[in-house]
Amino acid sequence: KQEVTQIPAALSVPEGENLVLNCSFTDSAIYNLQWFRQDPGKGLTSLLLIQSSQREQTSGRLNASLDKSSGRSTLYIAASQPGDSATYLCASLLSNSGYALNFGKGTSLLVTP
Amino acid sequence: NAGVTQTPKFRVLKTGQSMTLLCAQDMNHEYMYWYRQDPGMGLRLIHYSVGEGTTAKGEVPDGYNVSRLKKQNFLLGLESAAPSQTSVYFCASSQTLMRTEAFFGQGTRLTVV
Repeated sequence: KQEVTQIPAALSVPEGENLVLNCSFTDSAIYNLQWFRQDPGKGLTSLLLIQSSQREQTSGRLNASLDKSSGRSTLYIAASQPGDSATYLCASLLSNSGYALNFGKGTSLLVTP
Repeated sequence: NAGVTQTPKFRVLKTGQSMTLLCAQDMNHEYMYWYRQDPGMGLRLIHYSVGEGTTAKGEVPDGYNVSRLKKQNFLLGLESAAPSQTSVYFCASSQTLMRTEAFFGQGTRLTVV
C-alpha cells in the first residue's frame, strides 16, 4: 500500500516568507501527484497536478516539483499571504492501485500578518 | 459554475437508521468517487464509479452501498448507520483517471449517535 507522508504537520510563518511543503511517497510507480488546498469546514481544491513524466508545474505563486526516483514532491509558495492559510494535502495515483488517490494527512499552514 | 454539489451538508443519525447522500456534478465527468475523512486517518476511498451504471469498491466499502443510475449523480447509502461511520464524506469527480485533476464537493458532516 502506498504510504504518503507530509512534513511538517503544521507550519506558521510571517507574511511575505517563501516556504516549502514536503510530500514523500513509498511507491514510485505513480501516474500522477496532486496538491490540494482545504480550508476549514470546506472541500478540497486542486492546486496543481503533476504527471509522472513531468518534473514540475507552476501556477501563479505556487510551484510543485516531482522526483519519482526519490519518492518526493515539494510545493513551493512564494511571498506567502494570510489568505494562503489552509491545510495542504498531497495525493498520488498509483499505476497498480486501481482508482484510489492515496492522500497524505496534510500540512496545516498559518501565515501571520 | 456549480461543479460538485453534495446534499445534505450536515446530518445527525441515530444508530441503525438509514440515509442517502447525494452527489451531483455538472461537468460531464466520467469518474466519480466517495471518500471519507477522519482525524488522523486522512482521506480514504469508499466506492467509485468509472461511468454511468458502474460502481466498484474502494479501500473502506463495508457498511456502504452506491448507485450511479445517471452520469451526473452518484449516491452513497448507509443501510444501518453505526457510530464508526461518523465522519466527513466527500464526493469527487474527474474527467479521466490519470490526466486530469479531481474536483471535490464541499463535504457532508455526518454524526451517528
